[in-house]
Amino acid sequence: GDSVTQMEGPVTLSEEAFLTINCTYTATGYPSLFWYVQYPGEGLQLLLKATKADDKGSNKGFEATYRKETTSFHLEKGSVQVSDSAVYFCALSDLTNYQLIWGAGTKLIIKP
Amino acid sequence: GAGVSQSPSNKVTEKGKDVELRCDPISGHTALYWYRQSLGQGLEFLIYFQGNSAPDKSGLPSDRFSAERTGGSVSTLTIQRTQQEDSAVYLCASSLGETANYGYTFGSGTRLTVV
Repeated sequence: GDSVTQMEGPVTLSEEAFLTINCTYTATGYPSLFWYVQYPGEGLQLLLKATKADDKGSNKGFEATYRKETTSFHLEKGSVQVSDSAVYFCALSDLTNYQLIWGAGTKLIIKP
Repeated sequence: GAGVSQSPSNKVTEKGKDVELRCDPISGHTALYWYRQSLGQGLEFLIYFQGNSAPDKSGLPSDRFSAERTGGSVSTLTIQRTQQEDSAVYLCASSLGETANYGYTFGSGTRLTVV
């Protein structure tokens, strides 16, 4: 079945560092890919998404490119801030699936 | 409404009591999902509604858990005879259409503490 694998956390970085959170997937079809962010004490918010190969999703300085050849959707940000500290979830859906398939989440800690 | 609304935001209950958690999805969203998130953990799927029907209840952990949805809108998750292991954040999400391809919109969750 479809699955999503994220790098384990926590990931701890200093402010202004470059961020990469790895996400790879297994899917039989052509899924849409998502990154969600969960700030402390809150629900999940859609951060960005991509619906087809080579699409780049971007929001709030974060980017992720849908790479079909490597089945990846890595999240990147050039310069992180303390306010980016949160848990990040990668997810996929395909056209036949009513559910999002979730990664385990990666906790990001940014130190001043 | 503009977003997914969940109530209460926090609930403390005594072991053995019943609790009801409410979710009010975005107007027009036909799909509704309940998830559970224990402290520091990922998302545990509980149940999926399409309209008022629940084609997938496979995630409900025991027969103490039940959920209903009325009018294709508001949903209630009921936990009977609560146990301490039920303590978690319960998240509701809604989505447009019959696939998840549009993504979900989540509520802020209900933090349930069983003492």
